[in-house]
Amino acid sequence: EDKVVQSPLSLVVHEGDTVTLNCSYEVTNFRSLLWYKQEKKAPTFLFMLTSSGIEKKSGRLSSILDKKELSSILNITATQTGDSAIYLCAVVVSSNTGKLIFGQGTTLQVKP
Amino acid sequence: NAGVTQTPKFRILKIGQSMTLQCTQDMNHNYMYWYRQDPGMGLKLIYYSVGAGITDKGEVPNGYNVSRSTTEDFPLRLELAAPSQTSVYFCASRGGLAGGWYEQYFGPGTRLTVT
Repeated sequence: EDKVVQSPLSLVVHEGDTVTLNCSYEVTNFRSLLWYKQEKKAPTFLFMLTSSGIEKKSGRLSSILDKKELSSILNITATQTGDSAIYLCAVVVSSNTGKLIFGQGTTLQVKP
Repeated sequence: NAGVTQTPKFRILKIGQSMTLQCTQDMNHNYMYWYRQDPGMGLKLIYYSVGAGITDKGEVPNGYNVSRSTTEDFPLRLELAAPSQTSVYFCASRGGLAGGWYEQYFGPGTRLTVT
């Protein structure tokens, strides 16, 4: 059975801290891995990663896939209160349908 | 573009009632998906569609039905609502461009309570 596991499940930090969120997967047919941010409503897209191992960056956020370890990390530097959200990791398990298997999510709270 | 829209935003159902959750996208996307999100559980795929007239089951289809008569609309039907269907429901769509781009665009969600 395909499985995606995120850790930690929740995290509390102070503004300015750096955080690393983890996502590991066991799937039969890996295509890509996506990160989403969810603030109280719809998930919004952050990054898509492939087996190429190329790091993706956007401002203070960065992410990379380790295909040997079957995992990905999402780094957030100099955290701000606006980074408080649930971060979701999802793996594409079918290129024909684009079906995603999601992890449980990591709830990040950034305190002032 | 409005993107993906869902109605209603909130709904309370009694056990045994039925309802339809509406989802519409204006991006001419072929692929559409329905998820449910329970606290601490991430998103679980209920049903999906790869184009008008084509639907298939996801991970948790029991108690639900879908149809896809047009590219824009992908309604989710709950028959005989049960407390276990209390959840937040998200609809999503994807364009399916060449090159393996898999980003899905999500609607704002419907919070459903069954009592």
